[in-house]
Amino acid sequence: DAMVIQNPRYQVTQFGKPVTLSCSQTLNHNVMYWYQQKSSQAPKLLFHYYDKDFNNEADTPDNFQSRRPNTSFCFLDIRSPGLGDAAMYLCATFGGTGNYGYTFGSGTRLTVV
Amino acid sequence: SQQGEEDPQALSIQEGENATMNCSYKTSINNLQWYRQNSGRGLVHLILIRSNEREKHSGRLRVTLDTSKKSSSLLITASRAADTASYFCATDANRYSTLTFGKGTMLLVSP
Repeated sequence: DAMVIQNPRYQVTQFGKPVTLSCSQTLNHNVMYWYQQKSSQAPKLLFHYYDKDFNNEADTPDNFQSRRPNTSFCFLDIRSPGLGDAAMYLCATFGGTGNYGYTFGSGTRLTVV
Repeated sequence: SQQGEEDPQALSIQEGENATMNCSYKTSINNLQWYRQNSGRGLVHLILIRSNEREKHSGRLRVTLDTSKKSSSLLITASRAADTASYFCATDANRYSTLTFGKGTMLLVSP
């Protein structure tokens, strides 16, 4: 099935140790998003790509970076994770047509120790 | 902020009952969407209603939109235990803007 796949499902990293989360899609959607969701909170947009055009939210910390080497893949890099960065990270795509919303991956739960 | 606000924050009902969740937002919208999230999983798109629509149905889901009151409701009829999840509304200001999510309603349906 065409879908959005996030790896890994669970990631444990040490305080200050760089970590990369990955997202891939088989939908050929031109827009990809990274959301951060902390416990019992709304998903919060970090950044998104429209094709290769990168759009950073104003309040996204510099500690968070992203790469989109091609249409199918998008990466979230956290350069120096802090305890406050522990959260669920959600990748989503959008094809821009019809009555369909975003398609989300299953998320990566990040724990910082 | 465009962020939607859902109420109630939590809702507990018995199987077979209807569940109604509400969402309010602050500025004009292009469309409003509802998503479902099972515990520890990603969000699943349920239904989209455009700003010029007032009501939409999909299976056991009924969504209404009142742009004059900047509010929407999601009704799940004849609920099942499998409907237990968190439900989020999300809005975008125009066709090219991104979605902003509310804090969600946690629905518990007991057998």
